Amino acid sequence: SYVLTQPPSVSVSPGETATITCGGNNIGTQSVHWYQQKPGQVPVLVIYYDSDRPSGIPERFSGSNSGNTATLTISRVEAGDEADYYCQVWDSSSNHVVFGGGTKLTVL
Amino acid sequence: EVQLVESGGALVQPGGSLRISCAASEFPVSHNYMTWVRQAPGKGLEWVSIIFAGGTTYDADSVKGRFSISRDNSKNTMYLQLNSLRSEDTAVYYCASGRDRYFDSWGQGTLVTVSS
Repeated sequence: SYVLTQPPSVSVSPGETATITCGGNNIGTQSVHWYQQKPGQVPVLVIYYDSDRPSGIPERFSGSNSGNTATLTISRVEAGDEADYYCQVWDSSSNHVVFGGGTKLTVL
Repeated sequence: EVQLVESGGALVQPGGSLRISCAASEFPVSHNYMTWVRQAPGKGLEWVSIIFAGGTTYDADSVKGRFSISRDNSKNTMYLQLNSLRSEDTAVYYCASGRDRYFDSWGQGTLVTVSS
């Protein structure tokens, strides 16, 4: 089955740029979606189709996808961005939704 | 605004069964991709099952043959039947929906605890 690999944790200072990666075999040929989950809260979609932002998501959130790595970039990080972030794809070979293991973003 | 409300979570003994529900408002469940995602305490998101607008369903390998997803269009509600429950099925179960195989609306979750 398809596997998505994320770093367990990423730390940045306020105002800096956070980069969260999602690795998968030829992931660049798939559509990648990203979710933010703050402690005790429900997941929220922040990026879909690699780089599209739902309404209400700040422009500071952006995404890209190429080769074997998809990336979620958060510019000008704020304390309120501290959360777990998950990437997700649809694996058409198995007809399964696949989530990455999640990355905990810590704002120092 | 799309709203999803789960219900039916409970404490169940190993080997037992349970049905949890997800009631939708502001959109027909038959028009969207609807899915169940679970999260064990302190763990990440784990996909469970999905039902397409056309009615096709798929299940994660970990629940295949034990769990069954369905929907009742007349009640605008999706269900997950959980059979042969194991301790490792203990989790918050979220329902979620989207116009494609990503999910922009989520319920608040319902807790299923499997323990003797």
